[in-house]
Amino acid sequence: QVQLVESGGGVVQPGRSLRLSCTASGFTFSTYGMHWVRQAPGKGLEWVAVISYDGTDKYYVDSVKGRFTISRDNSKNTLYLQMNSLRAGDTAVYYCTKDYGDYVFDAFDIWGHGTMVTVSS
Amino acid sequence: DIQMTQSPSTLSASVGDRVSITCRASQSISSWLAWYQQKPGKAPKLLIYKASNLQSGVPSRFSGSGSGTEFTLTINNLQPDDFATYYCQQYNSYSLFGGGTKVEIK
Repeated sequence: QVQLVESGGGVVQPGRSLRLSCTASGFTFSTYGMHWVRQAPGKGLEWVAVISYDGTDKYYVDSVKGRFTISRDNSKNTLYLQMNSLRAGDTAVYYCTKDYGDYVFDAFDIWGHGTMVTVSS
Repeated sequence: DIQMTQSPSTLSASVGDRVSITCRASQSISSWLAWYQQKPGKAPKLLIYKASNLQSGVPSRFSGSGSGTEFTLTINNLQPDDFATYYCQQYNSYSLFGGGTKVEIK
């Protein structure tokens, strides 16, 4: 079935790095834009980053620009989020999600279960 | 930058009620708006896309309306499974979610 499975979360000290992965199955991964969305504990949803279907276009929310990098490997059906210089404010559940249609920005029809990232000393 | 204002932040209702949630954009986003339902500890679920299109498998008691800057999610005949938090999302310019509306049991 159509599925997204995130991994790579954990507890990390401020200033350190972490790489999240999201493995897709059940659909043609290479034809859809993919996003990361996060949710801090007890808070609302925040869009983080998007990558186009072929990896050529990438956009980020201002708060992570220069620190986070989104990438994808279509041969492995996998999406990544490299997070550097992590801050306490980055603590959240990180969801991988898929564009509904052909646009880089679209509704998100498939979501992973999320992976928790905790930034703490 | 576009701002999304969702209201109310909390809504108390009973099974069988009709409830409405509003989302306002600070500038026109045409019909590029989606609605999601989220339950505690779970990922969000797409309900409505392009303002008024019902996602496959979503019950017909959910409906969306609006365009430009004002949008509404309506739930008719509220069911026990509908008590959750609802978010709007604009995708006209990048992507931005509203603050959420928690629908709780009265």
